[in-house]
Amino acid sequence: EAGVAQSPRYKIIEKRQSVAFWCNPISGHATLYWYQQILGQGPKLLIQFQNNGVVDDSQLPKDRFSAERLKGVDSTLKIQPAKLEDSAVYLCASSLDQAGADTQYFGPGTRLTVL
Amino acid sequence: AQSVAQPEDQVNVAEGNPLTVKCTYSVSGNPYLFWYVQYPNRGLQFLLKYITGDNLVKGSYGFEAEFNKSQTSFHLKKPSALVSDSALYFCAVRDGVSSYKLIFGSGTRLLVRP
Repeated sequence: EAGVAQSPRYKIIEKRQSVAFWCNPISGHATLYWYQQILGQGPKLLIQFQNNGVVDDSQLPKDRFSAERLKGVDSTLKIQPAKLEDSAVYLCASSLDQAGADTQYFGPGTRLTVL
Repeated sequence: AQSVAQPEDQVNVAEGNPLTVKCTYSVSGNPYLFWYVQYPNRGLQFLLKYITGDNLVKGSYGFEAEFNKSQTSFHLKKPSALVSDSALYFCAVRDGVSSYKLIFGSGTRLLVRP
């Protein structure tokens, strides 16, 4: 079974530029998550989708971050404009559903460096 | 509010010795508890989870974890450590009643020396 796919793996941009990340979840998984992992910390949830609807985006900085999951499968996360503090690894995860017991499976992540 | 604490930034152990990585949690309802491992430049890899039932949970690569409700702990264990177990380990908790959000600890770096 194919895992969660993410691209690109690495991205370097200058502050105030824009960047987009792509995620393809495990086939059949209804729930998709985007996390931000700053060096030395655990992942922090940015946004959670159930199919193509947003369940939780309370920690998404909406003035600069946006995300969509068209057709309930692939998802993109965008940052515009980027700030230095956005340097982090952006992880995408998916689960069969959003029940508490469901396991989240993570992709390899995109390491973003903002100069 | 739910929270997770991993009190040790780093755990050092010799190969062949038993290892323990500590985790304590706080939730208002019944907890769902997870352990993940992260190797350099890789995403998080699922090891095991506790939902209900037997307090000793067995997972991948010989790891196990013991759920202790009275001490609100979910320590990760392995009887005999391997050098290849060296990685970053994350404990995570989800409140089974009030929230679907998975909250992660700050991580513990495990270093197994030959």
